Amino acid sequence: AQSVTQLDSHVSVSEGTPVLLRCNYSSSYSPSLFWYVQHPNKGLQLLLKYTSAATLVKGINGFEAEFKKSETSFHLTKPSAHMSDAAEYFCVVRFTGTASKLTFGTGTRLQVTL
Amino acid sequence: NAGVTQTPKFQVLKTGQSMTLQCAQDMNHEYMSWYRQDPGMGLRLIHYSVGAGITDQGEVPNGYNVSRSTTEDFPLRLLSAAPSQTSVYFCASRRKETYEQYFGPGTRLTVT
Repeated sequence: AQSVTQLDSHVSVSEGTPVLLRCNYSSSYSPSLFWYVQHPNKGLQLLLKYTSAATLVKGINGFEAEFKKSETSFHLTKPSAHMSDAAEYFCVVRFTGTASKLTFGTGTRLQVTL
Repeated sequence: NAGVTQTPKFQVLKTGQSMTLQCAQDMNHEYMSWYRQDPGMGLRLIHYSVGAGITDQGEVPNGYNVSRSTTEDFPLRLLSAAPSQTSVYFCASRRKETYEQYFGPGTRLTVT
């Protein structure tokens, strides 16, 4: 079955330290992959996307993600967290052959402390 | 360019009442979708539309109706509200050629 798993429901980092939010998917084919961010009481905003071009994808606000087919992963990273990064992050997958449908992970809440 | 707009922002309904959540986009996007967001469950697709006059069911369509008479508007109707429909509802749109979705700000619905 095709699925997407965000391994951590909550991640806490100190300001200025690296961020790692993990995402794995289950599929026999290479899907399209996205990370979205949701700040409190707001809609979702696209951070970055992978659609079979370069495996290292750079997004907005200093975030990037690397597609690793052998590990079926698409982890989101940032070298240095900022207080404004505190939000919920969703890994989203479009599996090959599913036309319009996007599958959302359950989300990871990122907390940034001083 | 307002993007995707949703009204109302907040709504409280009693069980059995009906209402319509409004969604509009001004980007001429072909695809529009409705999601509900519940704690610990991510977003789940309720209904979607690939163009005016064409709609289809998502993962959790029961209790909801949609129609798409114009490219711009995609209202979601709750026929007879139930407490299980308490959630935050997001409308989204995108171009047919890409999978980058643009989300509205959401409607927080409480059914008592």
